[in-house]
Amino acid sequence: QSALTQPASVSGSPGQSISISCTGTSADVGDSDLVSWYQQQPVKAPRLLIYDVIKRPSGVPLRFSASKSGSTASLTISGLQAEDEAVYFCASYTNRNTVVFGGGTRVTVL
Amino acid sequence: DVQLVQSGAEVRKPGESLRISCQGSGFFFTSYWIAWVRQKPGRGLEWMGVIFPYDSDVKYSPSFEGRVTFSVDKSINTAYLHWSSLEAADTAIYFCARTERIVVRPPAMGASDIWGLGTPVTVSS
Repeated sequence: QSALTQPASVSGSPGQSISISCTGTSADVGDSDLVSWYQQQPVKAPRLLIYDVIKRPSGVPLRFSASKSGSTASLTISGLQAEDEAVYFCASYTNRNTVVFGGGTRVTVL
Repeated sequence: DVQLVQSGAEVRKPGESLRISCQGSGFFFTSYWIAWVRQKPGRGLEWMGVIFPYDSDVKYSPSFEGRVTFSVDKSINTAYLHWSSLEAADTAIYFCARTERIVVRPPAMGASDIWGLGTPVTVSS
């Protein structure tokens, strides 16, 4: 199955808001409440930011939020900070009882 | 502390076998899926599949089925990823991750909230 589609890169200045899209199909994002987002900083393991489309685990800053419309999920970082520079991955449960990741989006803080 | 501790870096030749491990602590190991995720150098995350330690229920990604084997020893809270014959294309970092088991039919995979640090595997002649 194909990876979910994410933009390769997104950039913004400190304090700005940015959004990252994650486009799938009716077989995954469009048909699932099990969409999650991960942050991966260099040479580190991924960190869960968002689960069940919009929920934030304890410890994740409020500036990270998410939404979904149809087959596209989105992650928004409000008030971008230098420490937010990382690669962000979305993931979705699929109707084949598997999980598929997005290709990843590199966020650069200008 | 809730954590997953993975085994150390491995170097093998093509055709060799390999088993890497992932030991959980600080949580009920048999209540979650353990997922395996591959990351090739400079690339994205690839979901390989999951195993449920309680009953060894396994679900493989179609991309990996037949090429790897998951197993578990729940007496020591440890999951394993096994190759019988490695290829150079298997060179990657392999992460294990605690993954929520959604109790529906069939059981679904939620988010992965605890990750191991990864095991680098290098396959080279």
